[in-house]
Amino acid sequence: TQLLEQSPQFLSIQEGENLTVYCNSSSVFSSLQWYRQEPGEGPVLLVTVVTGGEVKKLKRLTFQFGDARKDSSLHITAAQPGDTGLYLCAGARIYNQGGKLIFGQGTELSVKP
Amino acid sequence: NAGVMQNPRHLVRRRGQEARLRCSPMKGHSHVYWYRQLPEEGLKFMVYLQKENIIDESGMPKERFSAEFPKEGPSILRIQQVVRGDSAAYFCASSPPVTGAKNIQYFGAGTRLSVL
Repeated sequence: TQLLEQSPQFLSIQEGENLTVYCNSSSVFSSLQWYRQEPGEGPVLLVTVVTGGEVKKLKRLTFQFGDARKDSSLHITAAQPGDTGLYLCAGARIYNQGGKLIFGQGTELSVKP
Repeated sequence: NAGVMQNPRHLVRRRGQEARLRCSPMKGHSHVYWYRQLPEEGLKFMVYLQKENIIDESGMPKERFSAEFPKEGPSILRIQQVVRGDSAAYFCASSPPVTGAKNIQYFGAGTRLSVL
């Protein structure tokens, strides 16, 4: 059972376009993290969202955590070729005790010049 | 500050051999996690350890796989009698003691295991 559904799985766009990646679940998460992974490397943390309704911005990237803490989105404005990579959402379900992250399947983004 | 260090980066084993993967967490981090990433799949949790303790091993295969995080030295993921299906990228992550709702995990570059 996939607890975090991430969509789309693949996205190929032209430089300058906007895009949104979605991460949905029927389960509540205490926090949700977004990572970016390059080929041959490990995931690199982009942001952590904790509060329902929270919005965080990182330059051209905007992250939102749903009010019910069951879903999240990543929006990229004016995408650039350097944004190309695998984007992963990951949720934590155990409050204040550490524990495993549950990952979505990932979104493979390709931005063409 | 050094990040999470994993070695080796690449490991080739023949069927039936043992694979030992090492992970040194970030300085000050006492929690270590192991994940496996199969080709075309997302990361799957394997095991969560603190110093000298296994906290959650619900993602570990029942046989051939074991993990430890001793009082001194790196965490070790050990795979005995490897089979071709064990070929994957194995990632280690570490986190500081968790406070509040955050569970921020930082990942190493991974070990790519190839079983011939």
